[in-house]
Amino acid sequence: GESVGLHLPTLSVQEGDNSIINCAYSNSASDYFIWYKQESGKGPQFIIDIRSNMDKRQGQRVTVLLNKTVKHLSLQIAATQPGDSAVYFCAEKIIARTGNQFYFGTGTSLTVIP
Amino acid sequence: EAQVTQNPRYLITVTGKKLTVTCSQNMNHEYMSWYRQDPGLGLRQIYYSMNVEVTDKGDVPEGYKVSRKEKRNFPLILESPSPNQTSLYFCASSLRVKNQPQHFGDGTRLSIL
Repeated sequence: GESVGLHLPTLSVQEGDNSIINCAYSNSASDYFIWYKQESGKGPQFIIDIRSNMDKRQGQRVTVLLNKTVKHLSLQIAATQPGDSAVYFCAEKIIARTGNQFYFGTGTSLTVIP
Repeated sequence: EAQVTQNPRYLITVTGKKLTVTCSQNMNHEYMSWYRQDPGLGLRQIYYSMNVEVTDKGDVPEGYKVSRKEKRNFPLILESPSPNQTSLYFCASSLRVKNQPQHFGDGTRLSIL
C-alpha cells in the first residue's frame, strides 16, 4: 500500500507562535490531499485541503503547502491557540480501480503551551 | 444537524461472536468508508462504497464485510471477530463529486477478548 508519513510525532509550541506540521507522501499519482484535526474522543475533523494542481492554499489561520517535486505536504497554523492542541493527520487520495482510496499519516500531536 | 452516526460507541465482546457496527449519515452523501485507527499506524481504510450497491476493499479488508443497500447506511460486519480486530473504528462519508473532504463519526471502540 501507499505510505503517508509525518516527520515529527509530537510538536510543542508557545501560544501565539506559528506551528508547522509536515507530511511526506509516496505516490506521485495522488491528486488530492487533506489535513484533519482529531481531538480526544472525537473523529477527525476537516481543516483544509489542496488539489494536486495547486501548491498553496490558505484558510482562516491555516495554510497548506504542497511540494510535488519532493512529495511533501505541510500545514501551517498561525498564532497557535490552546484550542489547537490535538492530533493532526494528513491524508492523500488515490484513484483506485473502483473508486477513491484514502491513505492517512500516523499523526502529529500538537501541544500548545499557554 | 449534518452528521455521521455510529453505534455502538463502545463494545466489549468475545472471539467468534458476530457483531455489526452501524453507520448512518444524513447528508445524502454517495461515498462512505470505514477506517480503523491503531496506535502508531494512523487510520487505515477497511472498505469504501462509491454509491448504493457499490463497495470495494480498502487497505485492510480481511475479517470484515460491508453492505450498502441504502444510501444513508453503511454497516460494518465482523462475522467472526478476533482479538487483532480490537481497535477504534471510524465511519466517514462525503459527496462523490471529485475531491471532497470526508465527514467522520465519533468512533466505535471495539474490544475483542
